[in-house]
Amino acid sequence: GAVVSQHPSRVICKSGTSVKIECRSLDFQATTMFWYRQFPKQSLMLMATSNEGSKATYEQGVEKDKFLINHASLTLSTLTVTSAHPEDSSFYICSATGGAEEKLFFGSGTQLSVL
Amino acid sequence: AQSVTQLDSQVPVFEEAPVELRCNYSSSVSVYLFWYVQYPNQGLQLLLKYLSGSTLVKGINGFEAEFNKSQTSFHLRKPSVHISDTAEYFCAVKNFGNEKLTFGTGTRLTIIP
Repeated sequence: GAVVSQHPSRVICKSGTSVKIECRSLDFQATTMFWYRQFPKQSLMLMATSNEGSKATYEQGVEKDKFLINHASLTLSTLTVTSAHPEDSSFYICSATGGAEEKLFFGSGTQLSVL
Repeated sequence: AQSVTQLDSQVPVFEEAPVELRCNYSSSVSVYLFWYVQYPNQGLQLLLKYLSGSTLVKGINGFEAEFNKSQTSFHLRKPSVHISDTAEYFCAVKNFGNEKLTFGTGTRLTIIP
């Protein structure tokens, strides 16, 4: 079964509103979580890396004030898209690791559509 | 910095035929290599990984890949594909001691009945 739960799977919102996406590790402690963005027919682009209890590290070009990441516990990280606009419409995927090289699991993704 | 190149964006293959999806990587240090599969509107599922040891790695769903250090390649193969193998396949690389995964641009495998 899934070891990383991502919710919601799909969300439609109006331009200017904020959307929160949750990523939970179900049966392990996720010391590090990653957030990716995927445009149609393209690869995953890493947005940020978050370690439990510390500020997220954002990749170059990603607006930290727009994409707020909180990793408050070892089982939960959230990505909040603030003041969403149509260009933020994308597929967002999280992944989580407990530290071992092979223990990296992906969520099922969230399709965000901003009208 | 590491990078991954998947030369084929789309690969159509007849059912029960063999397939090879190509992946080349670039890195200044030793790496771990991965292949992931993504079905429509879903997250990624690990097919197989190379961490160390035998260069021929077997994964799920009958897939295998061979790590070739001299050619910096990690091509994915399956001797006989099935309709259910239709999906997007991503090659990824991670440097030793670095948790970041770098993905290739993906290869869309389409199985023709």
